[in-house]
Amino acid sequence: GEDVEQSLFLSVREGDSSVINCTYTDSSSTYLYWYKQEPGAGLQLLTYIFSNMDMKQDQRLTVLLNKKDKHLSLRIADTQTGDSAIYFCAVGPYNFNKFYFGSGTKLNVKP
Amino acid sequence: EAQVTQNPRYLITVTGKKLTVTCSQNMNHEYMSWYRQDPGLGLRQIYYSMNVEVTDKGDVPEGYKVSRKEKRNFPLILESPSPNQTSLYFCASSLGTVGWGKLFFGSGTQLSVL
Repeated sequence: GEDVEQSLFLSVREGDSSVINCTYTDSSSTYLYWYKQEPGAGLQLLTYIFSNMDMKQDQRLTVLLNKKDKHLSLRIADTQTGDSAIYFCAVGPYNFNKFYFGSGTKLNVKP
Repeated sequence: EAQVTQNPRYLITVTGKKLTVTCSQNMNHEYMSWYRQDPGLGLRQIYYSMNVEVTDKGDVPEGYKVSRKEKRNFPLILESPSPNQTSLYFCASSLGTVGWGKLFFGSGTQLSVL
């Protein structure tokens, strides 16, 4: 199966940018996702990128994909205390049968 | 309101006592799936279903059963629970079965097996 790895913790100050990194092993992964989990809740899709893209921007969120290094990152600009959560990287194939999730990065935003 | 509903939210049981965690979605989604979340391991897929009567194993299916008799329901069955199945469980669904897919997650079921 696919190995998806993330660092476990990240701490930033309010107003700073946050960068959460993810690496994966299967180069055939077609779709790459970022999910957010708030305390006591299920995961919610934040954004996604196709494997034929290098970058995607969506308001405060910027996703960068380096296919050569199999590296995905999520940048959150002007991080707010409400952004404190666990962020999961996930990868999936075209035929949708299996999704692989990283271990999650807990983002702590200090006021 | 479009949602995935799991029940119960919390469950404490003893080794060997059969239990079922229910999952229901009201969005007419084709795809449904079960995950378990353990600290440091992220989410691992248990079983998934592409449509009614079509189910397949994920990465950690041992000790679990599922069924998909109706499109909206996808229960997770633990025939003889063991302490290593203590975990946080999530059900998820998605509209399609090809291409990119937004997974909608339930709120989770925290299971403790004593």
